[in-house]
Amino acid sequence: NAGVTQTPKFRVLKTGQSMTLLCAQDMNHEYMYWYRQDPGMGLRLIHYSVGEGTTAKGEVPDGYNVSRLKKQNFLLGLESAAPSQTSVYFCASSYSSRTAGTGELFFGEGSRLTVL
Amino acid sequence: GQQLNQSPQSMFIQEGEDVSMNCTSSSIFNTWLWYKQDPGEGPVLLIALYKAGELTSNGRLTAQFGITRKDSFLNISASIPSDVGIYFCAGLNYGGSQGNLIFGKGTKLSVKP
Repeated sequence: NAGVTQTPKFRVLKTGQSMTLLCAQDMNHEYMYWYRQDPGMGLRLIHYSVGEGTTAKGEVPDGYNVSRLKKQNFLLGLESAAPSQTSVYFCASSYSSRTAGTGELFFGEGSRLTVL
Repeated sequence: GQQLNQSPQSMFIQEGEDVSMNCTSSSIFNTWLWYKQDPGEGPVLLIALYKAGELTSNGRLTAQFGITRKDSFLNISASIPSDVGIYFCAGLNYGGSQGNLIFGKGTKLSVKP
């Protein structure tokens, strides 16, 4: 059981380049998320999805786009990378709840992105 | 917006010592969670707390959901080298989407053998 898989693990971009991070989960989870982690800042939510075909903005969505065309995949795109987007990106997934969120997120191993 | 104040930011302790860290907020949460992130890995859930006043243990770890619902603490007893990592608290409110999970900035734990 692979859980949550992120690709690529590492990437170096030049300012202005575009790229897509792919997240795949095999746990049939409804919810998926993209976070970025910066030193001293903790985990900040970029975008999330509560189901196939739906996406929503998180705390720091600017400069990113996402798509959830298939339930098991959640893509994070950077259209024009900036040095401020240098970070470690984590994808996560979770079960949904009609009455309350349980909060148990399953995280991938992270993707380290450097923008020069 | 909602914020979690997690302290301390970092700790350097001797193997065998007990560890205590906490999280406070000006907002009320219905769920408190504690995650651990090993170096180079994603965070993993340690303990989840769903009821005010709840005290829950997981091995050497004990966490409590504050009575006011605005705080939580995590204790680690008799620390060992593999306890090294970053510990995150997180708070969640019902009624909103899972996007309302708020993370603290983390406590970085270093253990000297």
